[in-house]
Amino acid sequence: QQPVQSPQAVILREGEDAVINCSSSKALYSVHWYRQKHGEAPVFLMILLKGGEQKGHDKISASFNEKKQQSSLYLTASQLSYSGTYFCGTERSDDKIIFGKGTRLHILP
Amino acid sequence: SQTIHQWPATLVQPVGSPLSLECTVEGTSNPNLYWYRQAAGRGLQLLFYSIGIDQISSEVPQNLSASRPQDRQFILSSKKLLLSDSGFYLCAWSAQFGGYTFGSGTRLTVV
Repeated sequence: QQPVQSPQAVILREGEDAVINCSSSKALYSVHWYRQKHGEAPVFLMILLKGGEQKGHDKISASFNEKKQQSSLYLTASQLSYSGTYFCGTERSDDKIIFGKGTRLHILP
Repeated sequence: SQTIHQWPATLVQPVGSPLSLECTVEGTSNPNLYWYRQAAGRGLQLLFYSIGIDQISSEVPQNLSASRPQDRQFILSSKKLLLSDSGFYLCAWSAQFGGYTFGSGTRLTVV
């Protein structure tokens, strides 16, 4: 049931791009993305609903391929503030999210 | 605007002692409420979720229980804590099919 995230960890230099993938073996209603800084609570980034949606704000965007049950989070021209652990959460029809294990992103100056 | 309050921020409790963590939401009505636990360096495990007063669903059989005595109040409890109950406990709320807003969390250490 738990979605699978890849990669587990990424190290980038400031200004580089990153892609984080999330896949599920179950049919999905929606996919959520969150970022968690060390010692803090996760913060909601965006939600994608079924229908092959794409979303984005600033330099962070995401896509959702309903047929493949996959979502990807794209971070372009990464900034130091993007560092943290990114979680995808997959939602079926019962309004609860099951989170992946997370992808640790570290941005070097 | 909606806000979520969770307390205490940190807690150190001996094995076998009781536990009560409280979470309240302001600025919305009939929210969906959730309790998650995060072990050190690990992912988020859903413990309980509630779609209304006294409507609680448990995801993982364990040493914990949850209650929702009021629309915007969610309480996590234990009668006797175990060492394995240590972790970062997060309360969250959402509107139906919306993003989750997490509280600031309670870091529980059972000694």
